[in-house]
Amino acid sequence: DAKTTQPTSMDCAEGRAANLPCNHSTISGNEYVYWYRQIHSQGPQYIIHGLKNNETNEMASLIITEDRKSSTLILPHATLRDTAVYYCIVRVANQAGTALIFGKGTTLSVSS
Amino acid sequence: EAQVTQNPRYLITVTGKKLTVTCSQNMNHEYMSWYRQDPGLGLRQIYYSMNVEVTDKGDVPEGYKVSRKEKRNFPLILESPSPNQTSLYFCASRRTRSSYEQYFGPGTRLTVT
Repeated sequence: DAKTTQPTSMDCAEGRAANLPCNHSTISGNEYVYWYRQIHSQGPQYIIHGLKNNETNEMASLIITEDRKSSTLILPHATLRDTAVYYCIVRVANQAGTALIFGKGTTLSVSS
Repeated sequence: EAQVTQNPRYLITVTGKKLTVTCSQNMNHEYMSWYRQDPGLGLRQIYYSMNVEVTDKGDVPEGYKVSRKEKRNFPLILESPSPNQTSLYFCASRRTRSSYEQYFGPGTRLTVT
């Protein structure tokens, strides 16, 4: 299983871009990178996913390096409501199903 | 509104008293799963179901049972709860096993004394 490494915590000023890094050096060619976030004790929320190309949706952008060993989630204009734990997940496949393995994530604190 | 609902949201019970946490989704999703979240351990999958009458163990299935008799419902059963099952539980669903986006319920905080 490909493992991910994220910083434990990050701070960001409201209105600025938040750039959350993730290392996944053992990712295999058919594994996707997913990002979820969890606002204090609520259910995790899907943000975005990607394989090779950079991706953008209404919530965020995902930048994946060419060698796919790392990626960055970008929240272009962080707000106080973006304060949450952000999980970078590499999708693993097992015999009968596909589990999302949540690590410890990065706690992002957005302040005014 | 597309959602996953769980009940109860909070539960305090005693060791050995059987309980069921219900989970329901209104998106006609095939795949449903249960996770528990504990401080320092992150989210761990308990059981999952790829469709009606198809369930399988996740990473931490001991002490839990599930059933999938209808597509929308996926209850989590603790036949004889113990204090080490005190945790925050999340139900989740996605359209199929290979879908990218997973929807999580609001969580059930269980305390077993």
